[in-house]
Amino acid sequence: QKEVEQNSGPLSVPEGAIASLNCTYSDRGSQSFFWYRQYSGKSPELIMSIYSNGDKEDGRFTAQLNKASQYVSLLIRDSQPSDSATYLCAVSPEAAGNKLTFGGGTRVLVKP
Amino acid sequence: NAGVTQTPKFRILKIGQSMTLQCTQDMNHNYMYWYRQDPGMGLKLIYYSVGAGITDKGEVPNGYNVSRSTTEDFPLRLELAAPSQTSVYFCASSYSGSGVYGYTFGSGTRLTVV
Repeated sequence: QKEVEQNSGPLSVPEGAIASLNCTYSDRGSQSFFWYRQYSGKSPELIMSIYSNGDKEDGRFTAQLNKASQYVSLLIRDSQPSDSATYLCAVSPEAAGNKLTFGGGTRVLVKP
Repeated sequence: NAGVTQTPKFRILKIGQSMTLQCTQDMNHNYMYWYRQDPGMGLKLIYYSVGAGITDKGEVPNGYNVSRSTTEDFPLRLELAAPSQTSVYFCASSYSGSGVYGYTFGSGTRLTVV
């Protein structure tokens, strides 16, 4: 069983729609969760961090965390073609210190 | 403010050759990491460091070595390159305060072993 799982996609969404990405993790003691955006051929870029159950909004992005169900999600509202990228979920397992475990990523395609 | 700088950006090695991937950060971060990324496989941790003089193995350390003589630099050494080491390598750093913080990544090194 993978520690952090994501649907590889591609997730195809029309421009202006909401893109919904999901991530599940296996370590119930995990406390810190991150979403990174990675454009093709580029390095990952941190877009969201979330530490508590519930929603966290930053511009068009909303991260949602449910520790009881062991999932974290990312919503992208008013999707733009520039949002086309791979989105990586990262989790800090309990007792791992600052080390992050990454999912395989979900590829998002926003079509005009 | 350069952030995390990696060199080289691209490299082709022959089987059995060795090389060092350089990584420098100017954010005064104590924590530094080396990850490799294979297509569709996510990022795998090779080695990490919590400060100068302190390093430890990650998930996939075989075939690699690191050193951390200064806060700024964290080079990754590949000895006796093998085709399985063909990958994209990312160096990252993070703040070391209370709690877990997101990483800042370098631009990556694309390595091909032939």
